[in-house]
Amino acid sequence: KQEVTQIPAALSVPEGENLVLNCSFTDSAIYNLQWFRQDPGKGLTSLLLIQSSQREQTSGRLNASLDKSSGRSTLYIAASQPGDSATYLCAGNTGGFKTIFGAGTRLFVKA
Amino acid sequence: SAVISQKPSRDICQRGTSLTIQCQVDSQVTMMFWYRQQPGQSLTLIATANQGSEATYESGFVIDKFPISRPNLTFSTLTVSNMSPEDSSIYLCSVESGSGELFFGEGSRLTVL
Repeated sequence: KQEVTQIPAALSVPEGENLVLNCSFTDSAIYNLQWFRQDPGKGLTSLLLIQSSQREQTSGRLNASLDKSSGRSTLYIAASQPGDSATYLCAGNTGGFKTIFGAGTRLFVKA
Repeated sequence: SAVISQKPSRDICQRGTSLTIQCQVDSQVTMMFWYRQQPGQSLTLIATANQGSEATYESGFVIDKFPISRPNLTFSTLTVSNMSPEDSSIYLCSVESGSGELFFGEGSRLTVL
């Protein structure tokens, strides 16, 4: 059974700092890995999708990597801004329309 | 990408009543997914709604409590029946693109008193 774990649960950084959010999964037979952003009380916004055949994806200041052999994915945020404050969720898709979500990392970027 | 609209965005309901949440997608999709996010928790899949057939429910969720309709390829509803305070959650509608990317609506935040 696929389990997805995110570390840390919460993170507070000063504006301008580069940071890394971690996601680990137990089943390496993963179809894809997706990172989301969620603002309080809102839905999820897709940030990056990494297919199982890919190692990383980039969008602006965001870079996500995937290492299936170690069961890990990271989301790198460069030059963090207060507007980046949100909860970041990773989700592993093992096929068959089954997606397992991590509990999320709550990020606070201080101005 | 897909644009998903959910209504209502939030509601406060009395114990024992039912509420129907609507989900509209801007393109035709085969599968629509309903998730629940309880306070401080991550997302849990309630059911998968396939047009023209009964919804498929995940373990711990039953049709009597969460009836789902899927009348066409762009619309679905989820009803939360006989509500209790434990049903207070954000309910989210989702679709999957051909590449496997999930897209979500803004969610419906439900508070049961």
